[in-house]
Amino acid sequence: DGGITQSPKYLFRKEGQNVTLSCEQNLNHDAMYWYRQDPGQGLRLIYYSQIVNDFQKGDIAEGYSVSREKKESFPLTVTSAQKNPTAFYLCASSRSSSYNEQFFGPGTRLTVL
Amino acid sequence: KNEVEQSPQNLTAQEGEFITINCSYSVGISALHWLQQHPGGGIVSLFMLSSGKKKHGRLIATINIQEKHSSLHITASHPRDSAVYICAVRYLTQGAQKLVFGQGTRLTINP
Repeated sequence: DGGITQSPKYLFRKEGQNVTLSCEQNLNHDAMYWYRQDPGQGLRLIYYSQIVNDFQKGDIAEGYSVSREKKESFPLTVTSAQKNPTAFYLCASSRSSSYNEQFFGPGTRLTVL
Repeated sequence: KNEVEQSPQNLTAQEGEFITINCSYSVGISALHWLQQHPGGGIVSLFMLSSGKKKHGRLIATINIQEKHSSLHITASHPRDSAVYICAVRYLTQGAQKLVFGQGTRLTINP
């Protein structure tokens, strides 16, 4: 089945540790996105990648880093510089960055203790 | 002021009721999306529209570009419709397409 996978579903880390969230898609999509969701707020864009080996900062990139070495993979690292990392993280992809429809993964809930 | 405002924030109704969720936005857009987020967190795209009206099963989405307003309707609501419904607008800024999300409407349908 084609789709987007994120793992793990739940992730716990100690404060001060970096953590990497995985996102894989087999839809052959060029564009991939990372969003953060906090209670009572809309999704906010962290980083996006229009094509492999390229990525741009979104609205809330501080404290995060990404890589796009393969078309199907777009991992997100939450660094210790992120002041409030506990949140629900959603990965999405689209055929291209100008193509309207985005497909979302199931999300990873990160809790920093 | 948020670029995308949804109302109501929470909605509880009885099975069978007609449901309306509203979305207002403040910018000129190229498209508007309605998304559904289930309790597990995964998001599914319901509609993408730039004008008029779309229907899929019991779901109907309308948009009025002049008034910058969209509505999502659910007919004959069912407990399985319970979810968070999210409105998102797409517009062009600084040469790039941007997607801005509303805060969501939590819908609970009681049997």
